[in-house]
Amino acid sequence: NAGVTQTPKFQVLKTGQSMTLQCAQDMNHEYMSWYRQDPGMGLRLIHYSVGAGITDQGEVPNGYNVSRSTTEDFPLRLLSAAPSQTSVYFCASSYNLADGTDTQYFGPGTRLTVL
Amino acid sequence: DAKTTQPPSMDCAEGRAANLPCNHSTISGNEYVYWYRQIHSQGPQYIIHGLKNNETNEMASLIITEDRKSSTLILPHATLRDTAVYYCIVRVYGNKLVFGAGTILRVKS
Repeated sequence: NAGVTQTPKFQVLKTGQSMTLQCAQDMNHEYMSWYRQDPGMGLRLIHYSVGAGITDQGEVPNGYNVSRSTTEDFPLRLLSAAPSQTSVYFCASSYNLADGTDTQYFGPGTRLTVL
Repeated sequence: DAKTTQPPSMDCAEGRAANLPCNHSTISGNEYVYWYRQIHSQGPQYIIHGLKNNETNEMASLIITEDRKSSTLILPHATLRDTAVYYCIVRVYGNKLVFGAGTILRVKS
């Protein structure tokens, strides 16, 4: 299994540009999520999905869109990039167990700089 | 939301046990305590989790106090590769993980 993969690894954007961060997993996980991590801070949840066709907002959703058309893929779209979105973005996936004891697996991250 | 409090940093000698404390005084009866770590800006890695009993796996042990208001992660024989940020997380709801600032563990030779 490749686990959770993210592309690109690095990206530089200009203010106002749009782009899509890709995330894929091959573990047949129902649950997928996106986090951002600013320097010296913990991760903050942007959006999450409990299955294909179902998405919801996390703690910091503004400026980001998501969709989940397949179980495997969960892309994150930046609509109009701003310098405040400079961060490291992590995608994670897990099973969606009713008792919440599932382990989340994280991708290697995408390092985004907005100029 | 149940919040956690961890020391910002700790040092440990290589080969010795690393004991990382976490306070979670507002934890609810059905909330699990999870530990993840993040090595050098990589994606966080799951370590262990528990509800009320002590737990052990190949990576670490988790000791939860009887009143569940605090816990300790134990790395029995720390190596240089265990240098990382360690996050203690109380599962708030569903699968959403709420990360604090964590503890920077520095293992020194």
